[in-house]
Amino acid sequence: DAGVIQSPRHEVTEMGQEVTLRCKPISGHDYLFWYRQTMMRGLELLIYFNNNVPIDDSGMPEDRFSAKMPNASFSTLKIQPSEPRDSAVYFCASTTPANYGYTFGSGTRLTVV
Amino acid sequence: AQSVTQPDIHITVSEGASLELRCNYSYGATPYLFWYVQSPGQGLQLLLKYFSGDTLVQGIKGFEAEFKRSQSSFNLRKPSVHWSDAAEYFCAVGDTGFQKLVFGTGTRLLVSP
Repeated sequence: DAGVIQSPRHEVTEMGQEVTLRCKPISGHDYLFWYRQTMMRGLELLIYFNNNVPIDDSGMPEDRFSAKMPNASFSTLKIQPSEPRDSAVYFCASTTPANYGYTFGSGTRLTVV
Repeated sequence: AQSVTQPDIHITVSEGASLELRCNYSYGATPYLFWYVQSPGQGLQLLLKYFSGDTLVQGIKGFEAEFKRSQSSFNLRKPSVHWSDAAEYFCAVGDTGFQKLVFGTGTRLLVSP
């Protein structure tokens, strides 16, 4: 099992540009989560999906953020336009009710300059 | 609303000494509780979990944690710390094991020779 795969590992972009982060969950996991980690705010849940359907997006900071899960093996988190305060590490995680606890990806470190 | 408090931001322990990391939670019913470890530049790895049964749970890498309902605590312990245990440790609580988890702010463990 390859685990949860995120790409890219690092992204540096200029303010105002569109950024797309990608995630491939573990096969068979029907829950997918996007978290953001910063020094100031720690780990924050942005959104989660069940069976490709968004269940709770109350953590999405503003309309500049959007997330999709077009199929069971792929999800994207998009920021448009990006701002320097979006700089953070973004984690994707997946799980299934047969498990307890998530499996996390290695994260994408986003720097907006 | 659920919440998790990790009162220690940093802890330094000598190699070979015992370790206890504190975690207190706020939750109305019996919670699902987790400890995760994050090494620099990596995602979070599940160390152990509790949701029912024996209040002392064993995890990977020689860690254990004890659920104490009366104290709303779920402290992480290890009898003898190794230099490779230096990392950041996160406690988390959830309604279930497979839906949204709330994470504490983390405790950074430093191991001195």
